[in-house]
Amino acid sequence: GQNIDQPTEMTATEGAIVQINCTYQTSGFNGLFWYQQHAGEAPTFLSYNVLDGLEEKGRFSSFLSRSKGYSYLLLKELQMKDSASYLCAVRERSTLGRLYFGRGTQLTVWP
Amino acid sequence: NAGVTQTPKFQVLKTGQSMTLQCAQDMNHEYMSWYRQDPGMGLRLIHYSVGAGITDQGEVPNGYNVSRSTTEDFPLRLLSAAPSQTSVYFCASSSGQATDTQYFGPGTRLTVL
Repeated sequence: GQNIDQPTEMTATEGAIVQINCTYQTSGFNGLFWYQQHAGEAPTFLSYNVLDGLEEKGRFSSFLSRSKGYSYLLLKELQMKDSASYLCAVRERSTLGRLYFGRGTQLTVWP
Repeated sequence: NAGVTQTPKFQVLKTGQSMTLQCAQDMNHEYMSWYRQDPGMGLRLIHYSVGAGITDQGEVPNGYNVSRSTTEDFPLRLLSAAPSQTSVYFCASSSGQATDTQYFGPGTRLTVL
């Protein structure tokens, strides 16, 4: 199967910047997704990368390096409401629509 | 446009009972999937479907059945519930297009005693 690895937990303070890393191994890469999941809720889509480089969306940015099998999610100007689990997911070319998820990174933002 | 809906939100079963978790989407998506989420385990794929009449197994299919008679509905059946099936179940759908994300339902919290 796919090996998708991300840290289990991270902590940061309000107003700070945090980077959540994700590494993956896949035979036919076809896109990487980041989701946010608050406790007791469903995952919601944050970002999508298929080409190398940085995608910016307001306070959130996501970076991809296909040659290194590496992505990160960058969260700026952290707010208390950013406390959540962040899920990295990879799609393969051979399995249309199917996503392979990492175990998630639980981010806690302190005041 | 309700997106992806799931019923029930909560369910308690006794070991050996059977039940069906319902999932429906109104976005005309071809791809639908069922995940279970357990603490520390992330989202694990149970079954998925790439269109009406077509289903396939994911990582953890044992003890579960699915069918896809219409584009909109993708029910998940627990044949004989076991305590190991206590989990949160999410249904998701997507168009299957390259840039499209998966849209998740609100989840069903199942406890098997």
